[in-house]
Amino acid sequence: NAGVTQTPKFRVLKTGQSMTLLCAQDMNHEYMYWYRQDPGMGLRLIHYSVGEGTTAKGEVPDGYNVSRLKKQNFLLGLESAAPSQTSVYFCASRPSASRGYEQYFGPGTRLTVT
Amino acid sequence: GDSVTQMEGPVTLSEEAFLTINCTYTATGYPSLFWYVQYPGEGLQLLLKATKADDKGSNKGFEATYRKETTSFHLEKGSVQVSDSAVYFCALLMNTGFQKLVFGTGTRLLVSP
Repeated sequence: NAGVTQTPKFRVLKTGQSMTLLCAQDMNHEYMYWYRQDPGMGLRLIHYSVGEGTTAKGEVPDGYNVSRLKKQNFLLGLESAAPSQTSVYFCASRPSASRGYEQYFGPGTRLTVT
Repeated sequence: GDSVTQMEGPVTLSEEAFLTINCTYTATGYPSLFWYVQYPGEGLQLLLKATKADDKGSNKGFEATYRKETTSFHLEKGSVQVSDSAVYFCALLMNTGFQKLVFGTGTRLLVSP
């Protein structure tokens, strides 16, 4: 099992460019999440999904879109990157509520927007 | 809303010293509580958890007890090692609705030989 993987590991974008971050999990988990981590702020939830074909907004969704076309993949898109989106992005997954609470995290993607 | 407050870091200790990292929470209801650890360059890993009052979570020599009366979940270890150097996050999960994890800001621990 690879667990939760994220692609790419690092990326530098210019303001206004777009990109997609890919998260993949091989644990057959129902729930998936995208967080951003900024110094002194802990992790903040961007978007989440409770199953294939579903998505919902978290605390800080503005400027991001997501899709979950397949159960194992959760994509995070930035349509027009801004310097305020410079951050480390983590994906996580977990089984459904009835089967446990632990979230499993990917290794992160470090994004810099210049 | 629900929130988690952790002590500011960094916490700097010598090897074999005693560690305490304070964590308090505010929640409407009875959350589950977690400690996650993030080693340099890696994602977060669950360290320990407690799902009800007076439960003690433990793992790798770390312990934390769910104290409902003081709304606290302090992390302790009797003798730290250099390999424990990492960032530690306290988090809560409400057991109703969507069950969103709410994280504290993290506390960096630096252990020197």
